[in-house]
Amino acid sequence: SQTIHQWPATLVQPVGSPLSLECTVEGTSNPNLYWYRQAAGRGLQLLFYSVGIGQISSEVPQNLSASRPQDRQFILSSKKLLLSDSGFYLCAWSPGLAETYEQYFGPGTRLTVT
Amino acid sequence: QKEVEQDPGPLSVPEGAIVSLNCTYSNSAFQYFMWYRQYSRKGPELLMYTYSSGNKEDGRFTAQVDKSSKYISLFIRDSQPSDSATYLCAMSPWYGNNRLAFGKGNQVVVIP
Repeated sequence: SQTIHQWPATLVQPVGSPLSLECTVEGTSNPNLYWYRQAAGRGLQLLFYSVGIGQISSEVPQNLSASRPQDRQFILSSKKLLLSDSGFYLCAWSPGLAETYEQYFGPGTRLTVT
Repeated sequence: QKEVEQDPGPLSVPEGAIVSLNCTYSNSAFQYFMWYRQYSRKGPELLMYTYSSGNKEDGRFTAQVDKSSKYISLFIRDSQPSDSATYLCAMSPWYGNNRLAFGKGNQVVVIP
C-alpha cells in the first residue's frame, strides 16, 4: 500500500528565516505530487504540482519554491519567510497522469512564522 | 460567484442520525466529484469519488451528484462520534487536470 510522509510535523520559525519542508511517498512510482496550504477559513490552496522529476508548476506567485529531486520526493522551500506564510502545509500525491482527481494527502506540517 | 460553495457549519447531530452535507458549484465542466474527511490537525482523507451524475454508496456513506442542478451531496447514515470532522468537497473538470476546486469544508459534530 502507498504511504505519504511529511516532516517536520510542527515548525515555528522567525520572519526572514529559511524554510524546507519535505514530503516522500512510498509504494508507488511516477506519482503526481502536490503542495497545498490550508489557512483558517480559506480552504485549500494549491501552491505547486509536479508530474515528474524536475518538473514543477507554480500556481501562486509568492516567496515559496518547490523542487522534486527524486521520483517520490517533493520539497517546499523559502529563502525568507513572511508572517503570511503561516499555515498548514499539505503534500499530496495522485496515481498518475489520468487519475489526478484521486489525490491522497499527507499528515501535514503546521508552520507558525513569528 | 465562487466556483464551489459549501456551508461551513458547524452541523451538530445526535448519534445515529443521518448527516446530510452538500456543495454547489458553478462550473458545468466538472465531471469528477470527491469528498474528503479531515480530522482536527490532520490531513484530509479521500472518502469517495464519483464520476458524472448518479449515486455511489460505500458502507454508511452515500454520495450523490446532480449535474443538472450543479449540486452534490454526501449522506452519512447511523452517524457515530468518530464521524465528527470537517468534510470537504472537491471537483475536477477532467482526468489529467491537476487543479482540484475545493469547498471550504463543513464541520460536523456527532453528539453521543
